[in-house]
Amino acid sequence: DAGVTQSPTHLIKTRGQHVTLRCSPISGHKSVSWYQQVLGQGPQFIFQYYEKEERGRGNFPDRFSARQFPNYSSELNVNALLLGDSALYLCASSLTVNTEAFFGQGTRLTVV
Amino acid sequence: AQTVTQSQPEMSVQEAETVTLSCTYDTSESNYYLFWYKQPPSRQMILVIRQEAYKQQNATENRFSVNFQKAAKSFSLKISDSQLGDTAMYFCAFMNGGGSEKLVFGKGTKLTVNP
Repeated sequence: DAGVTQSPTHLIKTRGQHVTLRCSPISGHKSVSWYQQVLGQGPQFIFQYYEKEERGRGNFPDRFSARQFPNYSSELNVNALLLGDSALYLCASSLTVNTEAFFGQGTRLTVV
Repeated sequence: AQTVTQSQPEMSVQEAETVTLSCTYDTSESNYYLFWYKQPPSRQMILVIRQEAYKQQNATENRFSVNFQKAAKSFSLKISDSQLGDTAMYFCAFMNGGGSEKLVFGKGTKLTVNP
């Protein structure tokens, strides 16, 4: 079975641009969460979606937004990119809430 | 707000020996879950072990076991018979019960297993 897949794996963007990151959960998983992992730190929670509704949001500015589609895949959008947005963005899916979260390999975003 | 603290930025151990990674957390909740995740250089976060707060028995997964001290809010990971493939970053994480999927991670411990 395919695990959590994220695309693209690497991305380079210029300050001020917009970026869209994509995540496909494990088949049957209805919950998707996004995390930002800055180099040398633990992941920080950005969003959680369950059954296409936002169920949680971390302490991130409104430049960050996300959505979940009817097939449970998800997009993370970041507007007006800053140098500080450079990080590994991780997506995790789980069958339902409070169950094991399975992570994808992440998207490495570099803002120059 | 919940916090997770890992006080050991780096540790090393000889192959086949035992090592313990420390983690403390702070919460006022009674229903929660604790996890240890492993992140090798491939970047993918892999669940090592999970502990439900309401369970008094410490979780065990093959060579990995935890020492869960609820009153002390301590959750350490013991790796027995260390293998070269255990070399990775290890993150302790906390999740509230009650329907949240938000994981709160510590800063991680870099474990190196030496041959």
